[in-house]
Amino acid sequence: NAGVTQTPKFRILKIGQSMTLQCTQDMNHNYMYWYRQDPGMGLKLIYYSVGAGITDKGEVPNGYNVSRSTTEDFPLRLELAAPSQTSVYFCASSYPPGGDYGYTFGSGTRLTVV
Amino acid sequence: AQTVTQSQPEMSVQEAETVTLSCTYDTSESDYYLFWYKQPPSRQMILVIRQEAYKQQNATENRFSVNFQKAAKSFSLKISDSQLGDAAMYFCAYRWSGGSNYKLTFGKGTLLTVNP
Repeated sequence: NAGVTQTPKFRILKIGQSMTLQCTQDMNHNYMYWYRQDPGMGLKLIYYSVGAGITDKGEVPNGYNVSRSTTEDFPLRLELAAPSQTSVYFCASSYPPGGDYGYTFGSGTRLTVV
Repeated sequence: AQTVTQSQPEMSVQEAETVTLSCTYDTSESDYYLFWYKQPPSRQMILVIRQEAYKQQNATENRFSVNFQKAAKSFSLKISDSQLGDAAMYFCAYRWSGGSNYKLTFGKGTLLTVNP
């Protein structure tokens, strides 16, 4: 089925380790986003991209990096993992054809930093 | 900056009854979109309903409807004939129609329990 695919679904990292959360969409959406969800805090925007080669910071970008070399892929890189990065991470995409139909979300990655 | 407030961290409803979830938002813009998303225990975020601010008519999707009060900046979700499958976390979200990034701003969520 078409949609947004995130891998892995779960991961445990040790403090100081690095990893990349993968996100791929097959809907040819220009816009892609990374959010983190902390308990009782809703979703906070980390980074977003409006097209291949274009990325920008959201509300909580510190400790993360992104790249967008293709329309389909939008990986999120965590460098030097810290316990504060323990969270559920969501990738999403959208296509705005003059209106707005919300996002298509991936199923999330639960990351624990110990 | 836009903010979205959900003042009810938790709500419960009996099966087959009606429940209303509250959402208020703060914006200086006049043209925007509002959304309700459902997040069941599977963690998947599912779009429930959307409202365009320039439309006075309240959006409806089957058992789900909204009460959109633009002047009061209020956007509540009514779930009629509640079902066990409606149990989930519900998020209200806002997006300005202008700009070029289509960012969503989310509230903190309301956890809905449906009692049999």
